[in-house]
Amino acid sequence: GENVEQHPSTLSVQEGDSAVIKCTYSDSASNYFPWYKQELGKGPQLIIDIRSNVGEKKDQRIAVTLNKTAKHFSLHITETQPEDSAVYFCAASKVGSARQLTFGSGTQLTVLP
Amino acid sequence: DTAVSQTPKYLVTQMGNDKSIKCEQNLGHDTMYWYKQDSKKFLKIMFSYNNKELIINETVPNRFSPKSPDKAHLNLHINSLELGDSAVYFCASSPHRDGGFGNTIYFGEGSWLTVV
Repeated sequence: GENVEQHPSTLSVQEGDSAVIKCTYSDSASNYFPWYKQELGKGPQLIIDIRSNVGEKKDQRIAVTLNKTAKHFSLHITETQPEDSAVYFCAASKVGSARQLTFGSGTQLTVLP
Repeated sequence: DTAVSQTPKYLVTQMGNDKSIKCEQNLGHDTMYWYKQDSKKFLKIMFSYNNKELIINETVPNRFSPKSPDKAHLNLHINSLELGDSAVYFCASSPHRDGGFGNTIYFGEGSWLTVV
């Protein structure tokens, strides 16, 4: 089955700096890679996703890159703000899989004011 | 107008008890899930239902029994609770059963179960 590894487990940055979270996956058939943000006391929420036929996707201050050859993908947050503090999960899936998502282990991002 | 709602949010109970967590989604989705998040924040799927039919049943003790009376509801019943069952349980839904782009999974806010 799919295995998703996520690093780092914790990340502290100064407000205004950039944050990068990296994930690797094992199943070369995976073709969909969403990122979820989980705020304290809440459920995870999708913030951005990327399909395997796209190398990069950007939405305002967040971007995701995908390297299919190396089987890794990354989340980039620029100009971080205190409200970006949360746990971020990467995930991998493949079309047609009823197993849906395999999640990474999460990254606790803290943005220091 | 909460999309995926689950109750109760907090549940403290003694070992050996039986408890249920209820979940409802108003998104019109066909597929619903239960996920377990342990103390290290690791998210793991437990069950998946599509139009009331069980399609995923991970290696979960048979003390856990999901029930889906209709496609908008998926309840989780747990018998003979153990200390190791303490976790956050998330209900979720998605438009259809197939993984991939366009089948975003929407999570509820979680139910914090503490077994003492």
